[in-house]
Amino acid sequence: EIVLTQSPGTLSLSPGERATLSCRASQSVSSSYLAWFQQRPGQAPRLLIYGASSRATGIPDRFSGSGSGTDFTLTISRLEPEDFAVYYCQQSETFGQGTKVEIK
Amino acid sequence: QITLKESGLTLVKPTQTLTLTCTFSGFSLSTSGVGVGWIRQPPGKALEWLALIDWNDDKRYSPSLKRRLTITKDTSKNQVVLTLTNMDPVDTATYFCAHRLRYSSSLGPLEYFDLWGRGTLVTVSS
Repeated sequence: EIVLTQSPGTLSLSPGERATLSCRASQSVSSSYLAWFQQRPGQAPRLLIYGASSRATGIPDRFSGSGSGTDFTLTISRLEPEDFAVYYCQQSETFGQGTKVEIK
Repeated sequence: QITLKESGLTLVKPTQTLTLTCTFSGFSLSTSGVGVGWIRQPPGKALEWLALIDWNDDKRYSPSLKRRLTITKDTSKNQVVLTLTNMDPVDTATYFCAHRLRYSSSLGPLEYFDLWGRGTLVTVSS
């Protein structure tokens, strides 16, 4: 069973700064099934990135995904106030434990 | 426009069976590549993948919960039903259903949950 480890657990940044979130798989996985979600408090997760690097419909271009094999990254180029949330990576039947991006 | 909505009892007793229904619109579960999955989230914790049913009735289950889970679909009613037997307080969570797409692209095969329901909080308590 694949385990996805996200780091850091919490990222404290200011609006306008760049956020880099990591998702590491316990074994090599297919990029085809690697997705990133954003979850704001009290809301359902929202798809940001699929296929490791493709932005979902309506997602701003400040969000980008990259990586392959065991190491994947979600980058938010300039944080907007609405980007402070929890982010999850998913590969098929496994979710990571999440990274919280909080206001510094 | 695709929408999904979860429904079912919100309070169940330990050892009881939970039955949740996902009622959806805007797509057909008989369309190739379409699936509906269930994911849960205990309060303050991470997402946990539970089960998925495909347009062709293929089913996948979380290995750790496989013995307790059943997923079925009623294409004519646009519903997917999840049952979880022998409920325990640790099963207290918000349960989400989600629309899953699978297709081939120039990048290769792709599969992802693109739209989710709002979720329903299920509490297990005597």
